[in-house]
Amino acid sequence: KAGVTQTPRYLIKTRGQQVTLSCSPISGHRSVSWYQQTPGQGLQFLFEYFSETQRNKGNFPGRFSGRQFSNSRSEMNVSTLELGDSALYLCASSLTDSPGEKLFFGSGTQLSVL
Amino acid sequence: GQQVMQIPQYQHVQEGEDFTTYCNSSTTLSNIQWYKQRPGGHPVFLIQLVKSGEVKKQKRLTFQFGEAKKNSSLHITATQTTDVGTYFCASSGGSNYKLTFGKGTLLTVNP
Repeated sequence: KAGVTQTPRYLIKTRGQQVTLSCSPISGHRSVSWYQQTPGQGLQFLFEYFSETQRNKGNFPGRFSGRQFSNSRSEMNVSTLELGDSALYLCASSLTDSPGEKLFFGSGTQLSVL
Repeated sequence: GQQVMQIPQYQHVQEGEDFTTYCNSSTTLSNIQWYKQRPGGHPVFLIQLVKSGEVKKQKRLTFQFGEAKKNSSLHITATQTTDVGTYFCASSGGSNYKLTFGKGTLLTVNP
C-alpha cells in the first residue's frame, strides 16, 4: 500500500506570492491533517479535514487555507507569502477522525520564501 | 488544545549509554503517542499509551504513562547510532481532534 504522498518535495517562492501544496493520503484514509515544522517551534497544527469538511483549525492567520476533495486528497494554500512561512509542511493521514488515532506522515514539502 | 512540554530539548550520548525523554502536561491526557523523526525524514509513529500507569516495551525502548496521566517517558537502553533522531510525544484531547506535539528531543549518538 502506498504511503502518504506530498508534492512538490521542494518549493522556492518570493515574498508576496502564493503557493499550493498537495497531499494524497493512504488509500482508504479519510482524515488529513497538516502541520508546519520549523526548527524553533516544532510541529504546529494547521488544520484537519475529514470527508471534505474542516474539523479543526490551529492558530494560523487566514492566509493559510486548505480543502479536501471527495477522493480524500487535500491541498493547502498560503497566500501573500512571508519570510517566516519558510518551513517543512507535513501532511498526515489517518483512517478515521477518531481522537488519538495514529498519524501516517508524508515526506513533506520544504518551502523556502526569499 | 492540550499542551505537552517535552524535555530535554537536546541529548548527546555515547553509544551504549541510556537515554530518556520526558513529556509533561498540566492537564490530564486522554492518551499519549510517541513518534520518531530521523534527520531529513518525517515523523513515524512508535506507540500509543492510553491507560494510567501503562508500560510498553519495544526491544530496547520502554514507554511509560504516568499514574495521573499527566506525564510520559521514553527510555532507550544501550543506545545505538540507529537511534539518532528527534523523538516527539503527542496527545489529543476529548472531542478536540487535533494531535498536539511536544517540541521534541533531538538525540545524537557518538559511536
